[in-house]
Amino acid sequence: DAKTTQPNSMESNEEEPVHLPCNHSTISGTDYIHWYRQLPSQGPEYVIHGLTSNVNNRMASLAIAEDRKSSTLILHRATLRDAAVYYCILRDGDTGNQFYFGTGTSLTVIP
Amino acid sequence: EAGVVQSPRYKIIEKKQPVAFWCNPISGHNTLYWYLQNLGQGPELLIRYENEEAVDDSQLPKDRFSAERLKGVDSTLKIQPAELGDSAVYLCASSFGETGPLTDTQYFGPGTRLTVL
Repeated sequence: DAKTTQPNSMESNEEEPVHLPCNHSTISGTDYIHWYRQLPSQGPEYVIHGLTSNVNNRMASLAIAEDRKSSTLILHRATLRDAAVYYCILRDGDTGNQFYFGTGTSLTVIP
Repeated sequence: EAGVVQSPRYKIIEKKQPVAFWCNPISGHNTLYWYLQNLGQGPELLIRYENEEAVDDSQLPKDRFSAERLKGVDSTLKIQPAELGDSAVYLCASSFGETGPLTDTQYFGPGTRLTVL
C-alpha cells in the first residue's frame, strides 16, 4: 500500500505563504492525493485533492510533481486559524478502501 | 446543514466494562466510517459501511469490537470488554459515496474521547 512521508512540524509567520511538502514515491497511477487538516480537539476536515494537475480552491492550492512522487500543499496567507495538523493521504487506487493518514505535519503559525 | 454528530463527546470507564459510541452521519450520505485515533497519531480506519453493509472491516478487532448500521443511517460502535489500550479518540465520518471512493470527500464528527482506567 502506498504511503506518504511528511515533516513532523513546520512553522510559518502569519500573513506569509506556507508550503507543506509530502513525498509519496510509491504512488500508483490511479491513486488520488488528498489533504485533510485537523484543528485541535476537532475531527479532520477536507482541504483539497488532485490526481495529476495542480488544483486550487478557496482554502489552498495543491501542486503535484510531474512524476507524482511528491506534492505540496500551499496556503497562500497563513492565519492563526490555519494552525493544525495537515495530513497528506493517498486513496488506494485499487479498492479505494483504505485512507492512510500517517502522522501528518503540525503547523504552527507565529503572530 | 448539520454535520456529523457523535455522542458522547467524552467517556470514562473502568477496564473490562462495555462502552458504546453513537454516530449520526450527514443526511443523504451513504458511506459511514469509524476511525480510531491514538494520541499524536493520525486516524486509523476501523470499519467502512456502504448503506447497511460493512464493506471493509479488516482492521476491526472483532474479538472485542462490534459495529452496526441497521437502517443505513446512524451507527453504533461497541467495545466489550474495554482494555486500557483502547483509550483513544473514536471518530465517525460520512461521505456521499456517489463520486466513487477515490474522490469522495469525508466529513468527520468531533469524535468521542474514551479513557479506560
